Formats: sequence, C-alpha cells, structure tokens
Amino acid sequence: RKEVEQDPGPFNVPEGATVAFNCTYSNSASQSFFWYRQDCRKEPKLLMSVYSSGNEDGRFTAQLNRASQYISLLIRDSKLSDSATYLCVVNEGTGGFKTIFGAGTRLFVKA
Amino acid sequence: SQTIHQWPATLVQPVGSPLSLECTVEGTSNPNLYWYRQAAGRGLQLLFYSVGIGQISSEVPQNLSASRPQDRQFILSSKKLLLSDSGFYLCAWSFLTQETQYFGPGTRLLVL
Repeated sequence: RKEVEQDPGPFNVPEGATVAFNCTYSNSASQSFFWYRQDCRKEPKLLMSVYSSGNEDGRFTAQLNRASQYISLLIRDSKLSDSATYLCVVNEGTGGFKTIFGAGTRLFVKA
Repeated sequence: SQTIHQWPATLVQPVGSPLSLECTVEGTSNPNLYWYRQAAGRGLQLLFYSVGIGQISSEVPQNLSASRPQDRQFILSSKKLLLSDSGFYLCAWSFLTQETQYFGPGTRLLVL
C-alpha cells in the first residue's frame, strides 16, 4: 500500500461545479497535513494546511478524518484557473524530513 | 519575505557528464533545505535534506550527492549522470521547526 494515495484523475468538470478529492494515508501517527497545487511544469505551491476541525479558505474546504485516515479537498464554484494537479501531503513527524507527497489528482475545469 | 532561487531552469546533459544544480534562499536564516526529484506522473521523492551548514542526510541511495557550503545555499551534484537521473529537480526550504515547505521553480534535467 502506498503511503499517501490519491486518485490520479483526471477530473473534468464544467465551470461553476463543485468537485471533491480524497486522499488516504497509511501511517496513523501522521501529524500534519496539507494540500498543494501544482500547475503544469511548475513547482508545487501550498494551497492550505488541513486541521483536525476542518478549515475553509474562500471556495476551498479541507477536512481531516483521523479515524479513517483520509483527507479531503472540496472546491466550490470551480474556475478555469483552478485547473491544476492537487497534491496531498502528509507529514509523519516533526520537521519536514518525513513529508510524504501524493502523486496528485489532475483537475480540468472547462468553460 | 522569503524567496528561493534555482538554476538553471532547464538542462540537457549527456550520459556520464557531471552535474551541479544550485539553490539559494533569501530572507531567512538557518532554514531546513531539501532536494526532491519528480518523475513524470509520480510524486515527489525526497533525495536529501539539511538542517545546517555541512549537515546532509540522504534519503535514497543513488549517484547524486548534496552539499551545503553556506547557510542559504544548497547544491546537488553528480560525477556521472545516468539516463535514469532525468527528471524535475525541486529545491525547497522550511523554517527550522515547521513542516510547511516552500519550493523553488525547479530544474528540468534531461539526460541523453
């Protein structure tokens, strides 16, 4: 089993749609969680951290389910500019040395 | 604010040639530094990390090496490149006690 597993997609959605991505992780002792966005041929950029209570940033909502060991990202009112690959990131310890990146889920938002 | 630079942006090298990729960070002191490789359609693979000058930890065995000659400079090297070394190389930094990592623009390496 992969340490961090994501559906590679692609997800093809129309503008204005709501889309959700899930990610599962294998290490129950994992401590911190993030979503990154990566545009084609560019570096990953932090989208948001994921907190146990769930958190929202504009159209983006992230949730963590420790019991089931999964993380989700919900994007509401999708924009063309949301088209990218979304990376699920799990940190298994303090510091950045045990950071595991998922392979990403590709999203295409179409007009 | 902090910025991270990498160069070159793109590199085409023959098999067996040496490699040197450079990464520098501005606007912070004593950062943790990381080198990752991303193969097409795959997740980021941590190659090296550093918590201070001259302190390098390797995560996977390979023909690559890393050095940190200055606090905010991180260098990835190879004496002889292999075809399998092709990929997208990303440098990242984080604050000493935090997990959030910030990436440089990357170097796309093609070994022929």
